[in-house]
Amino acid sequence: AQSVSQHNHHVILSEAASLELGCNYSYGGTVNLFWYVQYPGQHLQLLLKYFSGDPLVKGIKGFEAEFIKSKFSFNLRKPSVQWSDTAEYFCAVNRVTGGGNKLTFGTGTQLKVEL
Amino acid sequence: EAGVAQSPRYKIIEKRQSVAFWCNPISGHATLYWYQQILGQGPKLLIQFQNNGVVDDSQLPKDRFSAERLKGVDSTLKIQPAKLEDSAVYLCASSLGDFRQADTQYFGPGTRLTVL
Repeated sequence: AQSVSQHNHHVILSEAASLELGCNYSYGGTVNLFWYVQYPGQHLQLLLKYFSGDPLVKGIKGFEAEFIKSKFSFNLRKPSVQWSDTAEYFCAVNRVTGGGNKLTFGTGTQLKVEL
Repeated sequence: EAGVAQSPRYKIIEKRQSVAFWCNPISGHATLYWYQQILGQGPKLLIQFQNNGVVDDSQLPKDRFSAERLKGVDSTLKIQPAKLEDSAVYLCASSLGDFRQADTQYFGPGTRLTVL
């Protein structure tokens, strides 16, 4: 079965620090990759996605992620975090089967940015 | 553009009672999904609809969960009877295109269910 691993469950950073959140998946076929973010009290929002093309994708609010197919990874990065980036971040991997889109989520990483 | 709407936002029931959740997807979105998110975990797909037909319900506990999307727009998810382990956030998501093509899912605010 397809699985998604997020290695960091809780991350605490100071403002202006750099961020990298790891995401690895197990499926070997064609996948589409997503990072979703959930700010406190809000619903899941799309941060960025990869379908094809340039493996370095840029999303909203200065986030980017790099798809490394050989490592089955899709790590999220931001060079300088802000207090407003405090949120929970979910990596998700989608594959299309005869049964439709199968979107599998990681367990999430809780990021806290301190002033 | 209006997002995915869900109601109620919170629900508290006792075990063995029944409960229903409602979802209205983004206008024009053909595919609708229901997810269950237990505390500390990522969302897990329960059922997927394309218009008013079920595409995949392999993860839906059919002995107690049911879902429908009769007119291909709104959807309801029901639990009857509820168990303690059903306490979770129930998320609805929708996507624009055909279920056979890769697509982006947009999520609603969820319904937080507490079963006592």
